[in-house]
Amino acid sequence: TQLLEQSPQFLSIQEGENLTVYCNSSSVFSSLQWYRQEPGEGPVLLVTVVTGGEVKKLKRLTFQFGDARKDSSLHITAAQPGDTGLYLCAGVRTGGSYIPTFGRGTSLIVHP
Amino acid sequence: DTGVSQDPRHKITKRGQNVTFRCDPISEHNRLYWYRQTLGQGPEFLTYFQNEAQLEKSRLLSDRFSAERPKGSFSTLEIQRTEQGDSAMYLCASSLLSSTGELFFGEGSRLTVL
Repeated sequence: TQLLEQSPQFLSIQEGENLTVYCNSSSVFSSLQWYRQEPGEGPVLLVTVVTGGEVKKLKRLTFQFGDARKDSSLHITAAQPGDTGLYLCAGVRTGGSYIPTFGRGTSLIVHP
Repeated sequence: DTGVSQDPRHKITKRGQNVTFRCDPISEHNRLYWYRQTLGQGPEFLTYFQNEAQLEKSRLLSDRFSAERPKGSFSTLEIQRTEQGDSAMYLCASSLLSSTGELFFGEGSRLTVL
């Protein structure tokens, strides 16, 4: 059983469409991160959220941390082919050891 | 400013051989992590150092795996008597002590065991 469940697992859309990916858990997290990974490369940090209900924006990407700090979402507006990649959420559990745990990721393909 | 670097980027070896990977973290980062990632999965935690001390090791980690960070700077991950199931991307990441969980990853070392 994954500590962090990501959905959907795969997403294939056309350029210009909007999309949302989800990261859910039954555990409470002191912080949660989103990363993007391209094939053959390491993950690259996009954002950290630490406060329940927090919303952060990074250009066309909007990240939200759930009020109870158990879940998060990533919304992309007007997706572009350059957004193609594997989106990973990771979190540090409250009261746990200081080890970020990752979800399986959402693989996004944006077609021109 | 240099990021995290890993060497080699790719390694092909025969079953039963030993392999060693090196990671050079961002210089001011005290924490260093090793993760393993297979196709279709997220990174899976292997082990973690704070300075030179290895503070945690995954219970799933075989005793064929050993990691060191002798001077609190670079780290090595050795796999002895490799098996085909060891084929994966080995990722190193580093972070500051004050970090709230942000990791800075290297480009990874891809291992193929034939």
